[in-house]
Amino acid sequence: QQQVKQSPQSLIVQKGGISIINCAYENTAFDYFPWYQQFPGKGPALLIAIRPDVSEKKEGRFTISFNKSAKQFSLHIMDSQPGDSATYFCAASLNSGGSNYKLTFGKGTLLTVNP
Amino acid sequence: GAGVSQSPSNKVTEKGKDVELRCDPISGHTALYWYRQSLGQGLEFLIYFQGNSAPDKSGLPSDRFSAERTGGSVSTLTIQRTQQEDSAVYLCASSFKELAKNIQYFGAGTRLSVL
Repeated sequence: QQQVKQSPQSLIVQKGGISIINCAYENTAFDYFPWYQQFPGKGPALLIAIRPDVSEKKEGRFTISFNKSAKQFSLHIMDSQPGDSATYFCAASLNSGGSNYKLTFGKGTLLTVNP
Repeated sequence: GAGVSQSPSNKVTEKGKDVELRCDPISGHTALYWYRQSLGQGLEFLIYFQGNSAPDKSGLPSDRFSAERTGGSVSTLTIQRTQQEDSAVYLCASSFKELAKNIQYFGAGTRLSVL
């Protein structure tokens, strides 16, 4: 059972364009939704995260939009740059009540930003 | 070092051999996680350690996989009688669970190739 579904698998965007990656989750108990960025040969690094009590969070060019009723969340990268080319993973976890904080990841999106 | 350190970075082994993968978490981090990243797949949770509590081993794919964490710091993931399907990147992450934010910091991983 894939609890976090991510799309698209790959995405090509021109420099300056908007990159949009979508994720859907099944477990309504999830209460923490991070996005990780991974460059080749490196481990994933936290990019931005959101909790379900807000519908949007923005940090610089990166924005998470969250739709609790639809159980969906998305990452928007504004003014995409070649340096943003990487694999992006959405994830979800239970983050309260002393529970295991293990992350359930989507399968990733390979983003290529052409100059 | 300031980050999560994993060794070796690459490991090539023959089918049927045992391998040990090492993880040095960030100093002071109480939680430690192992994930497996297979080609085209997301990160798959394997095992979680938190302080002196019993580890959550629910993600280990078979009894050939085991892990320990000595002194609440360094962790070793052991795979016995390796199979070709064990070939993957094994990632370790650590976090400071007591903080409200579950920010998991990942190492660069160990790329395991089973011939």
